[in-house]
Amino acid sequence: GAVVSQHPSRVICKSGTSVKIECRSLDFQATTMFWYRQFPKKSLMLMATSNEGSKATYEQGVEKDKFLINHASLTLSTLTVTSAHPEDSSFYICSARGVGFGETQYFGPGTRLLVL
Amino acid sequence: GENVEQHPSTLSVQEGDSAVIKCTYSDSASNYFPWYKQELGKRPQLIIDIRSNVGEKKDQRIAVTLNKTAKHFSLHITETQPEDSAVYFCAVSSGYDYKLSFGAGTTVTVRA
Repeated sequence: GAVVSQHPSRVICKSGTSVKIECRSLDFQATTMFWYRQFPKKSLMLMATSNEGSKATYEQGVEKDKFLINHASLTLSTLTVTSAHPEDSSFYICSARGVGFGETQYFGPGTRLLVL
Repeated sequence: GENVEQHPSTLSVQEGDSAVIKCTYSDSASNYFPWYKQELGKRPQLIIDIRSNVGEKKDQRIAVTLNKTAKHFSLHITETQPEDSAVYFCAVSSGYDYKLSFGAGTTVTVRA
């Protein structure tokens, strides 16, 4: 149990375009989903927290108009990187926690974004 | 967020030996301490976690110890195997918002 999927697993796009990444909880209802960014050989940096049906809470320094997060249902959250630039290239990982999980988060497999 | 320091950054051990990774944190309200294992290009996988009302937890070859007074916790891997080679991250949560603050990671290499 507690499986989280992400789609796509990797994406290459041109500078200036927008990219949407989906995060799904497959066998539980995710009351909270988190979006992280990870640079090569670095740790995970929390970008934002999203609760179903409410606006996402962004960490300091993360542009909310650049990284749009929607948590429309208890099993799906999306991250849209708008007007992507090469510096947005990174590994984006979501995690989810559900009712009764306490603080435990389960991670998706990540999405590797390359902006040309 | 929470300041989490993790040491060492790299660790090379002989197969069969033990590996120990230590993390310190700053917020005394922190009450949840998970450890994640991440292989190259893969998702972080929860390997063990501990809550503040417990001092030690063990799961087969993996154990975690917590010293709340000193604000540090450690991961212990015994009888290491080549498949234990990965990057290990500690994390800390204060609970009320369920956010995790991660350490910088430790690259563990188990030499056959």
